[in-house]
Formats: sequence, structure tokens, C-alpha cells
Amino acid sequence: QSVLTQPPSASGTPGQRVTISCSGSSSNIGSNYVYWYQQLPGTAPKLLIYRNNQRPSGVPDRFSGSKSGTSASLAISGLRSEDEADYYCAAWDDSLSGFWVFGGGTKLTVL
Amino acid sequence: QVQLQESGPGLVKPSETLSLTCTVSGGSISSYYWSWIRQPPGKGLEWIGYIYYSGSTNYNPSLKSRVTISVDTSKNQFSLKLSSVTAADTAVYYCAREMQLWGQGTLVTVSS
Repeated sequence: QSVLTQPPSASGTPGQRVTISCSGSSSNIGSNYVYWYQQLPGTAPKLLIYRNNQRPSGVPDRFSGSKSGTSASLAISGLRSEDEADYYCAAWDDSLSGFWVFGGGTKLTVL
Repeated sequence: QVQLQESGPGLVKPSETLSLTCTVSGGSISSYYWSWIRQPPGKGLEWIGYIYYSGSTNYNPSLKSRVTISVDTSKNQFSLKLSSVTAADTAVYYCAREMQLWGQGTLVTVSS
């Protein structure tokens, strides 16, 4: 069972806006930055969002991140077929000596 | 641009030690935190641990007793050793810089 909680699946039609949630606790999301990754089938995860809402160069502005308290969200606007992938959230957890924790992943289907 | 490449045996026997190396090209390993992450087939991501270029480490509490991460700055490489492996350690293993730039991953199967 993952420390961060994500819905296992999400879906939308082309052009729609979809959001994926990520719920944690005061020791991780509540006190540290949230990162989001996109994993296309058979490939390595790719960083989409870092430090809650920052996009690396090359990531379209259709992708946006937000955080409030112990939860975070990834929003994808203008949904495209190539957005069909698994999405993971991650954050540093201050428990014990500290360690990175992930959500279980959300499979996004573009209908 | 900076690239990371994992290498090592694709098959390890149960109870033995899994050893992988991540080679950093296009940039220096000096500075940054360098992590190992794994993903069992069809499952989610699990952080294994990190090493700072100076040699300080931090490991996932669930794996801490079996994990050693080391760095060789002269070769621009860092390495993972996971001891006493079982079938549950079968996974794609990724190396990453600051949890932002990832290698392509390498599948390690634990089987006799």
C-alpha cells in the first residue's frame, strides 16, 4: 500500500480537462514539495511537475500542478491521445530519517 | 545533455546480491543527490535510497538493512547493492538525479 493515495484510474475525451488527486499527510505533502511524473508504456517515468507547480522546460503548459494542505493535484487541459499514460505523485517524507514516497499511480485513459 | 545509464546483470539468484551501476554522461556527478528507484512488473514506484556526491547516504527504511549505495566520482558512477534478494526484488531498477532526471531503467529478475 502506497504512502500517497491516488485514484487508480481517470479518463477523459480529447480536449477535456482532467485532474488527478494525490493525498498524503503532514509529514510528506503537508511539509514538502510535490512532484509529478508521466510514464508512457514501456518507458521510464518523466518529470512533469516539480516543487508543486513548476514545469521543466519542454513540458507543455497544458500540465499544471497545485497543492493545498496535505493534498495535491495534477491538471491536464486540452487532453490529447498521447497523454494516455500512468501518472505518479511523489514527495519527501520527514518520518524517521526521511525518505521519498510515491502514490500508487493513476492510469489515464483518453476515450 | 546529461544522461544516466543503468548497467548490471539481468538475472540474479535468490539469496545472492544484486549489483547495479549508474553511469552519468554529459555532466559531472559532483553535486546533486543521486537516487535508485525500482518498479516491480505491473506495479508502482519505490524509492530505494540516495547518495550525495560527497558520499552521505539515506535509505528507504523498508530496505535499509539490505541496501548499500556508493559513489565513484573518478568514474562518474554510482552503484547499488541489494543483498539477500528474493523474487519480490524482481523489478525495473532506475537511477535518477535529484528525482528529476531518470535513466531508462534495467530489468533485474531474481530466479534460480
